Amino acid sequence: GAGVSQTPSNKVTEKGKYVELRCDPISGHTALYWYRQSLGQGPEFLIYFQGTGAADDSGLPNDRFFAVRPEGSVSTLKIQRTERGDSAVYLCASSLYFGAQETQYFGPGTRLLVL
Amino acid sequence: GIQVEQSPPDLILQEGANSTLRCNFSDSVNNLQWFHQNPWGQLINLFYIPSGTKQNGRLSATTVATERYSLLYISSSQTTDSGVYFCAVAPYSGAGSYQLTFGKGTKLSVIP
Repeated sequence: GAGVSQTPSNKVTEKGKYVELRCDPISGHTALYWYRQSLGQGPEFLIYFQGTGAADDSGLPNDRFFAVRPEGSVSTLKIQRTERGDSAVYLCASSLYFGAQETQYFGPGTRLLVL
Repeated sequence: GIQVEQSPPDLILQEGANSTLRCNFSDSVNNLQWFHQNPWGQLINLFYIPSGTKQNGRLSATTVATERYSLLYISSSQTTDSGVYFCAVAPYSGAGSYQLTFGKGTKLSVIP
């Protein structure tokens, strides 16, 4: 596609439920990143992938969060036993190559609300 | 980790006015990007500018890497410029050198 796409756009769930958020990067981009944005704040890094492997998952807040990218393209962020504090906008970004000097392009985000 | 401070936090402009947004960062950087987050939440790339000066229409940016700051200039502002402007950086080396660290943003409101 022309840009990074994310589904769903919005997700409302109940505390304790499991959710999956999907990201489709720009075609041909090898690096993929997940960020989380709370209200009134800038995005915060969660995890990034070079190809299929997670190169750095140091931003994941705890072991309830997990992300995969099995074929090196689409990625899924998985959150188990959701808590109200997980409510935020989850942003995905991709870059053509894996490197510190690469421009990252962001998707529209998934707005997660945990009731 | 690297720290990013943006100023001012809020800015209200009359349509047609010019403005300067500032981004200070605490360490040498390999990556610096400016984004505009529109009212629908989409982050739009404005500039990739770890050093030097770039211009794109009414927008321009300058990064003085040795002094650890970047400036975003908006000239002849329009109501469509409203939104939040973010500066994001990645440190030159060490932990986190591939991840962007964002400032808290400057919220710009352009009134007709």
